[in-house]
Amino acid sequence: QQQVKQSPQSLIVQKGGISIINCAYENTAFDYFPWYQQFPGKGPALLIAIRPDVSEKKEGRFTISFNKSAKQFSLHIMDSQPGDSATYFCAASRRDDKIIFGKGTRLHILP
Amino acid sequence: KAGVTQTPRYLIKTRGQQVTLSCSPISGHRSVSWYQQTPGQGLQFLFEYFSETQRNKGNFPGRFSGRQFSNSRSEMNVSTLELGDSALYLCASSPTYGGGAYEQYFGPGTRLTVT
Repeated sequence: QQQVKQSPQSLIVQKGGISIINCAYENTAFDYFPWYQQFPGKGPALLIAIRPDVSEKKEGRFTISFNKSAKQFSLHIMDSQPGDSATYFCAASRRDDKIIFGKGTRLHILP
Repeated sequence: KAGVTQTPRYLIKTRGQQVTLSCSPISGHRSVSWYQQTPGQGLQFLFEYFSETQRNKGNFPGRFSGRQFSNSRSEMNVSTLELGDSALYLCASSPTYGGGAYEQYFGPGTRLTVT
């Protein structure tokens, strides 16, 4: 119930293409769903986050789509650039409880 | 504003030894969380401190402990090190308490290697 399943483990996308990473959760008590981006040698950095009262949130080229009934959410990176090459983690949490991370997706954008 | 700082950045220890890692949060942040990152298990929550009190704890053995000081700086300690403790240990700070339900700012981590 506490797991967050993330797929795919790795992803290769052409420059200018759309990168899509998916996550699924079981615990319906989760009410905060962030995505973190991590570059080699750095700690993760918050990219975008959503709460379950909305179905979509867009910030620049990054969009979270949230499907509450299916208990799934996904990250879309539009017009993917080589600088987007990094590891992406989805996560889920609820107030006053620990955050649960997905296992991560290593994204590589081909120039 | 300075980011989260962690010291040391790299550490090599021998099985059976103990180690203490340090984290200084962003100025004004009162919540500090610790995570273990490994290739196999990903990012796993260790514990969260707020106002010098442990508020949440992950599923790690008692060999892993931590504390927070009145200036919000935090330390974590691992006793009787095992080979499997080799990992990147990340510290994250947040302006308020709330588990992971608010934006956390991560430090660069301490890379611990146990031989």
